[in-house]
Amino acid sequence: EIVLTQSPATLSLSPGERATLSCRASQSVSSYLAWYQQKPGQAPRLLIYDASNRATGIPARFSGSGSGTDFTLTISSLEPEDFAVYYCQQRSNWPPLITFGQGTRLEIK
Amino acid sequence: QVQLVESGGGLVKPGGSLRLSCAASGFTFSDYYMSWIRQAPGKGLEWVSYISSSGSTIYYADSVKGRFTISRDNAKNSLYLQMNSLRAEDTAVYYCARDPQVGDHFDYWGQGTLVTVSS
Repeated sequence: EIVLTQSPATLSLSPGERATLSCRASQSVSSYLAWYQQKPGQAPRLLIYDASNRATGIPARFSGSGSGTDFTLTISSLEPEDFAVYYCQQRSNWPPLITFGQGTRLEIK
Repeated sequence: QVQLVESGGGLVKPGGSLRLSCAASGFTFSDYYMSWIRQAPGKGLEWVSYISSSGSTIYYADSVKGRFTISRDNAKNSLYLQMNSLRAEDTAVYYCARDPQVGDHFDYWGQGTLVTVSS
């Protein structure tokens, strides 16, 4: 089973600052890596798929990069509504099982 | 617009059973893989199971294999999760999610239904 490790566990920043979230896989996942945002009491929302493609309606301040085992979600300039928990997710080639990272909590400093 | 609405959650005793449903609308249900994903209170996301568009391909997480059964009825635009031999650790909000690319990502999620396993 591929394990996804997200860092840091908590990130404290101020609105307007740049956020960089990391997701590391225990073995290569090629580019099949997605990122989600979850706010309290809500379902997760897809932000990025295939490592770098923004989902429909996602603002341009969100970007994803990486391949193989190291991936990054960058929020270029934080808006108040961006403070939430972020998860990465991958699907392994064989067996085709899905795993999520443990999450990064982005909090207001 | 795409809508996924889960139902069937509730309180059940350890060892008991429950069947969750997910009603889909706003898209051609029979074209998409679908998954169940759960989230224990205060914890992260855990994928549970997925089913192919035709229902011919199914996979489960090891934590539920042999106890849970995923199924779908494309004529009714519905996804199901039969949960047997429930344990306290199955307590979670269960989400159904649409999968446009064979497990690569989930582009639409329901609002979730809470399953509580407790005596």
